[in-house]
Amino acid sequence: DIQMTQSPSSLSASVGDRVTITCRASQSISSYLNWYQQKPGKAPKLLIYAASSLQSGVPSRFSGSGSGTDFTLTISSLQPEDFATYYCQQTYSTPRAFGQGTKVEIK
Amino acid sequence: QVQLVQSGAEVKKPGASVRVSCKASGYTFTSYGISWVRQAPGQGLEWMGWISAYNGNTNYAQKLQGRVTMTTDTSTSTAYMELRSLRSDDTAIYFCARSSGGYYVLDYWGQGTLITVSS
Repeated sequence: DIQMTQSPSSLSASVGDRVTITCRASQSISSYLNWYQQKPGKAPKLLIYAASSLQSGVPSRFSGSGSGTDFTLTISSLQPEDFATYYCQQTYSTPRAFGQGTKVEIK
Repeated sequence: QVQLVQSGAEVKKPGASVRVSCKASGYTFTSYGISWVRQAPGQGLEWMGWISAYNGNTNYAQKLQGRVTMTTDTSTSTAYMELRSLRSDDTAIYFCARSSGGYYVLDYWGQGTLITVSS
């Protein structure tokens, strides 16, 4: 099974900061990597698919990059509504595992 | 607009079974798959499996093999997830999500169903 490891597990940042979250796969997954945002008590929301494609309706301050084993989600200028937990998920093979999540908190 | 509406919360005793429904609307049901994801209290997301609404093909997480069954009813555009031999560590919110395209993107999600397993 492919393991997904996110770092950091949590971070504190201020509004306007540039935030970077990393996701590493235990083996190559090409670009089969998606990113989700989850707020407390809500279902996850798709942000980025195929490593770097922005889902329709998602603000352009979100971007994704990477291929193979190393991937990055970047928020260019953190907004108050971006404080949430972020998950990566590989869909290269089953089980389509998620990373453990990165909680973005207010500094 | 695409919507996935799940059945309500349930409390079950250890050893029992539960079936969660997920009714889809706003798109052609048989053109997509449905994935099931669960989240234990305070924990991360766990992929449970996937079913093709086109032909009923399934793929389950190994740890749930033998206890989980995913089905669809194309006449009502509803997906079902049944979990048997429930244990306390099955207590979680269960989500269905539309699975789209070759990247199996989860682009629309249900609201979640809380299943509590307690004696």
